[in-house]
Amino acid sequence: GAVVSQHPSRVICKSGTSVKIECRSLDFQATTMFWYRQFPKQSLMLMATSNEGSKATYEQGVEKDKFLINHASLTLSTLTVTSAHPEDSSFYICSARETYGAYEQYFGPGTRLTVT
Amino acid sequence: AQSVSQHNHHVILSEAASLELGCNYSYGGTVNLFWYVQYPGQHLQLLLKYFSGDPLVKGIKGFEAEFIKSKFSFNLRKPSVQWSDTAEYFCAVTLPSGGYNKLIFGAGTRLAVHP
Repeated sequence: GAVVSQHPSRVICKSGTSVKIECRSLDFQATTMFWYRQFPKQSLMLMATSNEGSKATYEQGVEKDKFLINHASLTLSTLTVTSAHPEDSSFYICSARETYGAYEQYFGPGTRLTVT
Repeated sequence: AQSVSQHNHHVILSEAASLELGCNYSYGGTVNLFWYVQYPGQHLQLLLKYFSGDPLVKGIKGFEAEFIKSKFSFNLRKPSVQWSDTAEYFCAVTLPSGGYNKLIFGAGTRLAVHP
């Protein structure tokens, strides 16, 4: 089946630094990838839609200058949390949709970010 | 705004009990419907999906769901749960949005199955 990986799985950084999270579709091409944030014991909230070769589309309330998204190839999207603060600590999950698929998304294992 | 409601936040069952998790959505147009499961420490996995056709959808691990358009519902069922079904279950809807079909998730239902 379709596999999506994320790296790193866990990261701890100091306040004010930037952190990059990678999302890769391992065995399929994904024109569209999605970035979610999941707070403890809560649901996934869509942050942005990442489109290969074009600018990401951000959901209302998500700061595009803080959460930089790059989707440079059909198998890789990156999320950079810039100038991280403790309130950015969360579980970040990506998903990828097959370019020629039927609206199904495959999810990565998530990245636990802790900002100290 | 479009939303997905899951009525039960926390469900506790004994093994062999029957399960039904409620899911309602608020959108009047065409939707695609999904149930995802997240086992402890694991990533989201697709249980089943509905796009069109037979409103009774069968998924993996003995789960099924019924789409009732008039009730805007897509409830998940399993006749006899097992301890290994302990997980969090998310209902989700895909809406056409600029062609990218973003998923909107419900709040999730945490299921605990006791032996």
